[in-house]
Amino acid sequence: AQSVTQLGSHVSVSEGALVLLRCNYSSSVPPYLFWYVQYPNQGLQLLLKYTSAATLVKGINGFEAEFKKSETSFHLTKPSAHMSDAAEYFCAVSDNFNKFYFGSGTKLNVKP
Amino acid sequence: DAGVIQSPRHEVTEMGQEVTLRCKPISGHNSLFWYRQTMMRGLELLIYFNNNVPIDDSGMPEDRFSAKMPNASFSTLKIQPSEPRDSAVYFCASSLMGRHEQYFGPGTRLTVT
Repeated sequence: AQSVTQLGSHVSVSEGALVLLRCNYSSSVPPYLFWYVQYPNQGLQLLLKYTSAATLVKGINGFEAEFKKSETSFHLTKPSAHMSDAAEYFCAVSDNFNKFYFGSGTKLNVKP
Repeated sequence: DAGVIQSPRHEVTEMGQEVTLRCKPISGHNSLFWYRQTMMRGLELLIYFNNNVPIDDSGMPEDRFSAKMPNASFSTLKIQPSEPRDSAVYFCASSLMGRHEQYFGPGTRLTVT
């Protein structure tokens, strides 16, 4: 069975600081992993995806995530936070039938 | 590409009324998903279709909810009768089978009074 745990429902960083959003997954099959971002009153937008190619995945807006099988983790990072990064971020794992299992989300606040 | 299109964007209705939400997936996509998002329960998968066929409707909360996909370019989610606890944002997403990533529409914000 597939599941995702996102540690920290709220994360606050200063502008220019490192962003680290944590995601751990459980999967009975080789996982497909995703990060999505949701801005207020909008739908979810795909940030990046891991599909068993390179373990370090680069996405849009300067975000990247590293797949670590030994730790069953897929943490999202960005070296320098920008005010426009304030949003809610969702980690998801997909099974072989395209069904997604989403984490509970992490709201990122960026302080000036 | 126009992306996933949902209508209406906002719906306010009274308890007991029928509500129909509409979705047009990205052209060429053959999987379609309906989600519900609330503060209390987060994102919940209600139902999904592959090639217009419902595959998993285990997330549909009650018999008051029904979904159809009469063709590859259109799907509906119907609630009859609606109740205040159905108030939520309903998202439609589509994907290409085998590609896994899903593309979400802007959502329909439903308020049942």
